[in-house]
Amino acid sequence: SQQGEEDPQALSIQEGENATMNCSYKTSINNLQWYRQNSGRGLVHLILIRSNEREKHSGRLRVTLDTSKKSSSLLITASRAADTASYFCATALNYGGSQGNLIFGKGTKLSVKP
Amino acid sequence: DVKVTQSSRYLVKRTGEKVFLECVQDMDHENMFWYRQDPGLGLRLIYFSYDVKMKEKGDIPEGYSVSREKKERFSLILESASTNQTSMYLCASSNRGLRGSSPLHFGNGTRLTVT
Repeated sequence: SQQGEEDPQALSIQEGENATMNCSYKTSINNLQWYRQNSGRGLVHLILIRSNEREKHSGRLRVTLDTSKKSSSLLITASRAADTASYFCATALNYGGSQGNLIFGKGTKLSVKP
Repeated sequence: DVKVTQSSRYLVKRTGEKVFLECVQDMDHENMFWYRQDPGLGLRLIYFSYDVKMKEKGDIPEGYSVSREKKERFSLILESASTNQTSMYLCASSNRGLRGSSPLHFGNGTRLTVT
């Protein structure tokens, strides 16, 4: 079964509003990453938060991590039409010898209407 | 900026053909990955490589093989293409990092259709 699950599956907001996406996971992680994918393109890395961090900011992005609840959230403030994309969380497990093996969720499709 | 280049954006092949998907990265990354992305299923790891000539199976390696003869190039091979391999294929690379501590850099994908 999927390690990371995003919620909601789809989100539609007006330009200027904030968008919040959530990610839940099942097992202990080393870090959690968020990616964005524009339609028909590859994924772009947004932010990485380590298991010992609780919050991280990058421009209009704010990511929180609650390891006790095994969940993370991505907040995009003052959204723009250009933020329209799918957003994925990816978890790096805290066990096993494989290097760089991330497990991706199925994504949240964000639509920002002008 | 890291650049990961996939040789084709769109590819149409016939059932039974041998298909090569090529990926090149220009940042001297040790790790390279092949994922496929399907609606409702998200990204699934096919194979990855953490060094030249080294490879490890991902979650769905059946029907695929890979080749990494040079550090910058990672090829995905469909030995005998089937219609259920119609999908978006994404290549990625990253620095060597313990347990996924390095972000992945993705190519723009190859949309493969097998008829």
